Amino acid sequence: DAGITQSPRHKVTETGTPVTLRCHQTENHRYMYWYRQDPGHGLRLIHYSYGVKDTDKGEVSDGYSVSRSKTEDFLLTLESATSSQTSVYFCAISESAGRNTGELFFGEGSRLTVL
Amino acid sequence: AQSVTQLGSHVSVSEGALVLLRCNYSSSVPPYLFWYVQYPNQGLQLLLKYTSAATLVKGINGFEAEFKKSETSFHLTKPSAHMSDAAEYFCAVSGSSASKIIFGSGTRLSIRP
Repeated sequence: DAGITQSPRHKVTETGTPVTLRCHQTENHRYMYWYRQDPGHGLRLIHYSYGVKDTDKGEVSDGYSVSRSKTEDFLLTLESATSSQTSVYFCAISESAGRNTGELFFGEGSRLTVL
Repeated sequence: AQSVTQLGSHVSVSEGALVLLRCNYSSSVPPYLFWYVQYPNQGLQLLLKYTSAATLVKGINGFEAEFKKSETSFHLTKPSAHMSDAAEYFCAVSGSSASKIIFGSGTRLSIRP
C-alpha cells in the first residue's frame, strides 16, 4: 500500500473557525491532490500540487488554500469553515502526470463536519 | 478542459449477469481515461487505465473497458457479476499535458443474489 496518511481522520468544528487538514506521503511522489467527495457529485478536485511550492486550483477551490513546503506534506486550509464545506476530503498522490499519467493513490479520507 | 459524465447513479444487476457502467468524456486534447473503484469506507483504487495504447483495456477483478473515440465513450464491463463487485465506480479523465485528473459523479453498483 502507498504510504499516505491523512490527519485528522475525523473533525467536528463550528462555522467560522479555521481548519487545516494534513496529507503526508512517504513515497516521494511529485504530484499531490486534494479532492472532496459529496453524494451526487463524486470527487471534485480542490487544489493540486506539481512540486514543492507549486500549486494550482481545481474545480472547487473557493474557500480553500493549500501549501506544500516539502515534498512529503500537502496541507489544505479552510480559513473560515462553512457548513457547505462539510464533506469527506481525500488526498491523493501520483508519481507522474501528463504524457506519462500514472495511477493515483488515495489516502483513507478525512471526514469534516462543520456545525 | 476535460470532463466526464457517468450515466446512471445506481446500477443493479443479478449475480452472474453482465455489468455495464457507462462513461462519456469530453476533452480538448487526447485524453487519458481511468476507472476507479471505492469500497465502503475506503479510498479509491485503480481498476484500469487507457493511455493511447490498445483501445480495449483489461483491468483487475475481470473488468475491462473499451475506448471509442467516435462515441467519446469509455464504458466499463464485466461478463459475470460477483457479490464482491458491489461498490461505487468512478470514471476519470486527464489531458495529455495536464496534471489535473477530473472524476465523474460515480455509479453505485449493487449485486442481487
